Amino acid sequence: DAKTTQPPSMDCAEGRAANLPCNHSTISGNEYVYWYRQIHSQGPQYIIHGLKNNETNEMASLIITEDRKSSTLILPHATLRDTAVYYCIGEGYGNKLVFGAGTILRVKS
Amino acid sequence: EAQVTQNPRYLITVTGKKLTVTCSQNMNHEYMSWYRQDPGLGLRQIYYSMNVEVTDKGDVPEGYKVSRKEKRNFPLILESPSPNQTSLYFCASSSFTSKGGTEAFFGQGTRLTVV
Repeated sequence: DAKTTQPPSMDCAEGRAANLPCNHSTISGNEYVYWYRQIHSQGPQYIIHGLKNNETNEMASLIITEDRKSSTLILPHATLRDTAVYYCIGEGYGNKLVFGAGTILRVKS
Repeated sequence: EAQVTQNPRYLITVTGKKLTVTCSQNMNHEYMSWYRQDPGLGLRQIYYSMNVEVTDKGDVPEGYKVSRKEKRNFPLILESPSPNQTSLYFCASSSFTSKGGTEAFFGQGTRLTVV
């Protein structure tokens, strides 16, 4: 299973961009990198995923380094409602999502 | 609205009393799975199912059973619950996306306490 490493916590000012880093040096060439978030104890929510190219959707942007050993999730204009645990996730056998400890993002006014 | 529905949301039970947590999805997804979440251990997969009548063990299957008789339903069964199964449980269903990879939809969670 692909292992990921994230900082345990980060703070961000409301309205500013939040940049959440992730290291995934053991990821293989055909494994996707996924980002999910969990607000309080709700079910995790899908944000974005990518393989090699940078990706953008209505929630966030994902920047993946050329060597695929790390990535950065960007929330362009963080709001208080973006306070959550953010998980950078690799794939395991059988399409399993391999969750790590994640990063607690605190957005402050 | 696309959703995964778990029931019950909260359950307190006694050791050894069989229970079932139901999970239903309305998105016609083939892949479904169960996770448990514990402090300090994160989310771990219990069982998964790639299609009707196809199930397999995840990382922590001991003490659990599942069945997949219909595509929309994937119940989690605890035949003889024990206190170490006290946890927050999530059901998820997944689809493949047009660009490759998958997108998972999680239920609201079931908080189970076994005394």
